[in-house]
Amino acid sequence: KAGVTQTPRYLIKTRGQQVTLSCSPISGHRSVSWYQQTPGQGLQFLFEYFSETQRNKGNFPGRFSGRQFSNSRSEMNVSTLELGDSALYLCASSFYRGLMNTEAFFGQGTRLTVV
Amino acid sequence: QKEVEQNSGPLSVPEGAIASLNCTYSDRVSQSFFWYRQYSGKSPELIMSIYSNGDKEDGRFTAQLNKASQYVSLLIRDSQPSDSATYLCAVKNDMRFGAGTRLTVKP
Repeated sequence: KAGVTQTPRYLIKTRGQQVTLSCSPISGHRSVSWYQQTPGQGLQFLFEYFSETQRNKGNFPGRFSGRQFSNSRSEMNVSTLELGDSALYLCASSFYRGLMNTEAFFGQGTRLTVV
Repeated sequence: QKEVEQNSGPLSVPEGAIASLNCTYSDRVSQSFFWYRQYSGKSPELIMSIYSNGDKEDGRFTAQLNKASQYVSLLIRDSQPSDSATYLCAVKNDMRFGAGTRLTVKP
C-alpha cells in the first residue's frame, strides 16, 4: 500500500509569487491535514479537508488556502509569498471511522524556500 | 492557553534509562491521542495511539492516558541512542500537535 505522497519535494520561489503543493493520501483515507513546520514554531496546523470540505482551520492568514478533490487528493496554495513562509509543509492523511479520525500518516513533506 | 502543551526539553537520559515524556491538553472532549517521533530532517512517524484511560504498552513504549486530569504521557524503557529524536503529542479530533520534546539518549 502506497504511503502519503507529496509533490514537489523541494521548491524555491521568489517573494510575491504563489505556490501550489500537492498531497495524495493513502488509498481509502478521506481526511487530509496540512501543517507548516519551522524550527522555532514546531508543527502548526493549517487546515483539514474531509470529503472535499474544509472541516477545520488553523490560525493562518487568508493567503493560505486549500482544496480537496473527489479522489481525496489535496492541494495547498500560498499566494503572495513572504520570506517567513519558508518552511517544511507536511500533509497527513487518516481514515475516518465513526466520529473520529484514526491515526494519521505523514508524507515526506515539501521544503519551500522563499527568496 | 495552548491546546496541547509539552515540555520542550531538551530531555537527556543515559542509555538504558527510562525516558518520560508528558503532554497536557485543554479540550475535554478529545477522544484520540497519539505520540509521534520525528528524527531531524524527517517527517513524523506514528509510535502509538491511545483512546482509553490507563496504560497501553507496545514493546519498550508505554502510553498513559488520564482524561480526568487531561494528560497523556509516553514512557520509553531501556532507552537507546536511536531513540534520540523529537517526540510529538497529538490530540485529535483535529490533530493539533504539541511543540514536541527533544530527547537525547547518551551512550
